[in-house]
Amino acid sequence: QQQVKQSPQSLIVQKGGISIINCAYENTAFDYFPWYQQFPGKGPALLIAIRPDVSEKKEGRFTISFNKSAKQFSLHIMDSQPGDSATYFCAASRANQGGKLIFGQGTELSVKP
Amino acid sequence: GAGVSQSPRYKVAKRGQDVALRCDPISGHVSLFWYQQALGQGPEFLTYFQNEAQLDKSGLPSDRFFAERPEGSVSTLKIQRTQQEDSAVYLCASSFSGSGYTFGSGTRLTVV
Repeated sequence: QQQVKQSPQSLIVQKGGISIINCAYENTAFDYFPWYQQFPGKGPALLIAIRPDVSEKKEGRFTISFNKSAKQFSLHIMDSQPGDSATYFCAASRANQGGKLIFGQGTELSVKP
Repeated sequence: GAGVSQSPRYKVAKRGQDVALRCDPISGHVSLFWYQQALGQGPEFLTYFQNEAQLDKSGLPSDRFFAERPEGSVSTLKIQRTQQEDSAVYLCASSFSGSGYTFGSGTRLTVV
């Protein structure tokens, strides 16, 4: 059972465009929703995270939008750059599970110059 | 150290061989996690330590997998009698509080 579903599987965006990646979750007990960025040969790196008491969080060019009623959240990358080309993972966790993360399947983003 | 260090970076094992993967977390980080990442997939939880206590091992796929953190710092993930389906990248992560944790670069295990 896939508890966190991510789409699209791959995404191609022109430089300067907006990249949008979506995730849906099933377990309403989740209360922490991070996004991770992973480059080839490296471990995932935390990009931005949100808790369900807010609907949006922005850090620089990265924004998370959160819809609690729909059990969906998304990552928006504004002014996408070739250096943003990487694999992005959404994830979810529950506070009473010590930080154990359930990851989505990943989105491979390619930003074309 | 400045980050989470994992060794070896690459390991080739013959089927049936035992392997041990090491993780050096960030100094002072209480929580330590192991994840398994198959090619083209998201990481999947294996096990979690808080200091030396293994609080959750629900993700370990079989009794061939064993993890320890005897002094609450360095951790070792051991896989006995490796099988081809064990081929994956094994990621270690640590955190101070249990959220926002830092991953290492992983150990890529190939079983031939």
